[in-house]
Parts: sequence; C-alpha cells; structure tokens
Amino acid sequence: GENVEQHPSTLSVQEGDSAVIKCTYSDSASNYFPWYKQELGKGPQLIIDIRSNVGEKKDQRIAVTLNKTAKHFSLHITETQPEDSAVYFCAASTDSWGKLQFGAGTQVVVTP
Amino acid sequence: SAVISQKPSRDICQRGTSLTIQCQVDSQVTMMFWYRQQPGQSLTLIATANQGSEATYESGFVIDKFPISRPNLTFSTLTVSNMSPEDSSIYLCSVDSGRVNEQFFGPGTRLTVL
Repeated sequence: GENVEQHPSTLSVQEGDSAVIKCTYSDSASNYFPWYKQELGKGPQLIIDIRSNVGEKKDQRIAVTLNKTAKHFSLHITETQPEDSAVYFCAASTDSWGKLQFGAGTQVVVTP
Repeated sequence: SAVISQKPSRDICQRGTSLTIQCQVDSQVTMMFWYRQQPGQSLTLIATANQGSEATYESGFVIDKFPISRPNLTFSTLTVSNMSPEDSSIYLCSVDSGRVNEQFFGPGTRLTVL
C-alpha cells in the first residue's frame, strides 16, 4: 500500500520568513495530494491540493509543488504569520474516492 | 464547503463501556469516512461508509469493535465498543466534497477512556 513520509516533524520560523515541508510517497499510481492544517483542538482543514497533471499550484501565501518522477511534493508558506502556527499534514491518494494516506505531520511554530 | 458537526465533542468513559459518535453534514454526500487520531499522531482511516451498504473497514479495524451506521446521505454514527484506555483518541469524520478525492473533516470527538 501507499506510504507517505513527511519532514521535518517540527519547524520553527521567524515571522515573515518562509516555511517548507516535504513529503515523499511510495505508490507511483498516487494522483491526488492534499495538505491539511490542524489547529489545536480542531479538525484538519484542507488548505491546498494538487493533482498529478499539475506541477505547481499557488493560493496567496501558500503553494504546493509536485515532482512525480521523484515522487515527492512540498508545501511552501511565504511571509509566515503567527496564525500559521499549527500541525500540517500531507496526504496521498490513488483511489478515485477516499482512502487518503497521511504523513506523520509537521508542527510549525511561527515566532513574532 | 460542507458544514460538518460531531457529537459529542469530547467524553470521558469507563473501560468496558461503549460510546456512539454522531456525524452530521449540512448537505447530502456520497461517502463518509471515519478516522482515528491517537494523541500526537497522524490520522488513520478506520472505515468508509456509503449509504445503503455495509461499511468497508481498513486493516486492523473490525466491525465488532467499531460498528458504523449510515442511515441516510447526511448522517453517520461510529460506535467504539468495549473500550479500553488504548481507545483514547480523537475520532474524526470526513465527507467527500463532490470533487474527486477531496475530503472535508469535522471538528472531531476527543475520547478519554479511564
């Protein structure tokens, strides 16, 4: 089955700096790669996703890149703000419906 | 995106008892999913619930321990049966958005078993 590895496990950045989280996946058939943000005491919130026919996608301060050859994808957050502090999860899916395989998560701390 | 609610939001239970968690969504959805998130850990899919059919369980999860109902297109329940302290986790439901693979999550139910 699919295996998703996520690094780093924790990331501390100064406000205004950029943050990058990287994930690798094992199943070359994976074709959908979402990123979720989970704040303390809340459920995961979908913040951006990318499909295998696209190499990069951007939404304001966040962007995701996908390298299908190397089987890795990354989340980039620019101009970080304290409200970006949360746990971020990557995931991958090969199925047409459901069955997301999640990475272990990255705790991001943005210090003012 | 869909508005998803879960009840209860948290509970503290005694070992050996059972707890039923409800998941309600404000629009009709085809698929609903149940996940477990152990303390400080990632999300693990328990089962997929489609209306009108038996839930499909992932490896390591069985119906006797985690019975699921899906009576209609907006509602599902997950029961955690014969609980032990190892069942202490956050239980999350999610729903498909209508866009292939895309899922939205509810707020979760925080369960502590003593």
